Amino acid sequence: QQQVKQSPQSLIVQKGGISIINCAYENTAFDYFPWYQQFPGKGPALLIAIRPDVSEKKEGRFTISFNKSAKQFSLHIMDSQPGDSATYFCAASWLTGGGNKLTFGTGTQLKVEL
Amino acid sequence: EAQVTQNPRYLITVTGKKLTVTCSQNMNHEYMSWYRQDPGLGLRQIYYSMNVEVTDKGDVPEGYKVSRKEKRNFPLILESPSPNQTSLYFCASGLGRVFSGANVLTFGAGSRLTVL
Repeated sequence: QQQVKQSPQSLIVQKGGISIINCAYENTAFDYFPWYQQFPGKGPALLIAIRPDVSEKKEGRFTISFNKSAKQFSLHIMDSQPGDSATYFCAASWLTGGGNKLTFGTGTQLKVEL
Repeated sequence: EAQVTQNPRYLITVTGKKLTVTCSQNMNHEYMSWYRQDPGLGLRQIYYSMNVEVTDKGDVPEGYKVSRKEKRNFPLILESPSPNQTSLYFCASGLGRVFSGANVLTFGAGSRLTVL
């Protein structure tokens, strides 16, 4: 059972356009929501993250929008570039008695075309 | 250079032949974890470790074993591999309270395993 539902599975955007990837969750114990970027042949790398007490976080062209009441969060990539073509994973973490646990969405393959 | 190193990067094996995928980090991180990545399923956690001799199951631990005898190493053991364990495996490490503030989970480059 996927604890974080991610959509779309794939996305094609024109250069300069806005890429939007959405995620939804149910577990209110989640306390940290990172996004990871993965290029082919590489491991995922942290892109940007947000805590649930913040509605928006922006780092350069990347913005996370967070809607706590709707249990949804999204990644916006402004002025998308061909170099942004990668797989993006949303994730959510929470602290259990055994330590931190992190669960990922199913990933979105983004392709930015010239 | 701060990194997580996995070996082997690629492996083809046969059903039932025990194998170990090694993972080593040079950042003195307390937290280490193993994930498998499968198309349409994303990254699923297999096992994680909060410190030496402290390990716990993730979401898909069946068929896998781990050990954490040293802080830097966290090997993944497949005692009797089966074809459904064919996957891309990632090791990751981070600081103790890895998911808050600026702490970052650092991933290795991945190990692609095929079980025939």
